[in-house]
Amino acid sequence: AQSVTQPDIHITVSEGASLELRCNYSYGATPYLFWYVQSPGQGLQLLLKYFSGDTLVQGIKGFEAEFKRSQSSFNLRKPSVHWSDAAEYFCAVGAQGEYGNKLVFGAGTILRVKS
Amino acid sequence: DTAVSQTPKYLVTQMGNDKSIKCEQNLGHDTMYWYKQDSKKFLKIMFSYNNKELIINETVPNRFSPKSPDKAHLNLHINSLELGDSAVYFCASSQDRRTEAFFGQGTRLTVV
Repeated sequence: AQSVTQPDIHITVSEGASLELRCNYSYGATPYLFWYVQSPGQGLQLLLKYFSGDTLVQGIKGFEAEFKRSQSSFNLRKPSVHWSDAAEYFCAVGAQGEYGNKLVFGAGTILRVKS
Repeated sequence: DTAVSQTPKYLVTQMGNDKSIKCEQNLGHDTMYWYKQDSKKFLKIMFSYNNKELIINETVPNRFSPKSPDKAHLNLHINSLELGDSAVYFCASSQDRRTEAFFGQGTRLTVV
């Protein structure tokens, strides 16, 4: 079965510091991987996605993620965090089920930014 | 224009009532979904429709009945609401699994 693990429930970083959010997936076929961000009371916004090709993908708001097949990981990074980045971040794998497609999400990581 | 819109944004209702949440997408996508986000923020798929046809039903109680009148709309009707149904319900759409899903703003359902 497909699954996504985000080991860190909460992360606190100082404004201007670098950020790395961890994501590990379990999926038998070629994974399609996504990072979404959810601000309080809002829907989910796509930050970036990986389908194939270059394993380092660039997203919006200065975020990037690196796909490492050998580690089954898709970690999200940002070189310098801004206070507006405080939100909850979800990693997801696009899974092909027997009858259709769906996103399987991790439990999320809450990012707090301190000034 | 909002790509995926849901109404209402907030819904407070008593146990035992029946309620509906509406969703519309203007992206021309073939597939629409309902996801449930529980109190711990965990997101799980409930249903998926492709061209008005139900293709995924993830062991959701049959009190929940999705309906897709056309490719751009997917509504969720819930009968006999229970306290445990309190959650945020997200509608989403995508072209296929290789493209990202676009999410609505969510409907926060509170059953009292």
